[in-house]
Amino acid sequence: GESVGLHLPTLSVQEGDNSIINCAYSNSASDYFIWYKQESGKGPQFIIDIRSNMDKRQGQRVTVLLNKTVKHLSLQIAATQPGDSAVYFCAERWGGTASKLTFGTGTRLQVTL
Amino acid sequence: GAVVSQHPSWVICKSGTSVKIECRSLDFQATTMFWYRQFPKQSLMLMATSNEGSKATYEQGVEKDKFLINHASLTLSTLTVTSAHPEDSSFYICSAVLGQDEIINEQFFGPGTRLTVL
Repeated sequence: GESVGLHLPTLSVQEGDNSIINCAYSNSASDYFIWYKQESGKGPQFIIDIRSNMDKRQGQRVTVLLNKTVKHLSLQIAATQPGDSAVYFCAERWGGTASKLTFGTGTRLQVTL
Repeated sequence: GAVVSQHPSWVICKSGTSVKIECRSLDFQATTMFWYRQFPKQSLMLMATSNEGSKATYEQGVEKDKFLINHASLTLSTLTVTSAHPEDSSFYICSAVLGQDEIINEQFFGPGTRLTVL
């Protein structure tokens, strides 16, 4: 059938500020979560992941927080840079190794100078 | 390491023709690959799971006779869009799974193929 175009939620932040992107996931049985960055016309790029037995994980300039009680995931980007401008997707997995991922709806991050 | 390529990166075809898209894992072997479709301003939607040496598993609502998947080797999966129509125009993305370990299970994504059907 015909698909209806959606407008991605957009987060605008100034260069140098911190960004927080949120995601609600659907399955309480999900055991693994990933954040991806997707630039226009390109495939998703892995940013950071977290297993369900953790509630926080830090990488370089990025932190992922997991709240299983309310099925919420967030991605924090410190000192946001223009190169961070992209669409960010969370993805969840359940079922173990090589299981499929289910992607969230995505958030567009716009970094202003 | 862990690079996935797709070919072609874009293709324009006439309605009614078939188009083949290749997904290759360049420096690792992937027993499992996935095919996604992404419409503008939307998320990635899984179409099918491609397993080397066996039939693909299709998601609900995806026509297996229209989207033919062949995973003939550990480094190559192909998606053929048969009798393409304008509504099949989309961004097709594949991913390949690295590792059989429970801990390491990253999916590495290809750069995508833009299909436009006139």
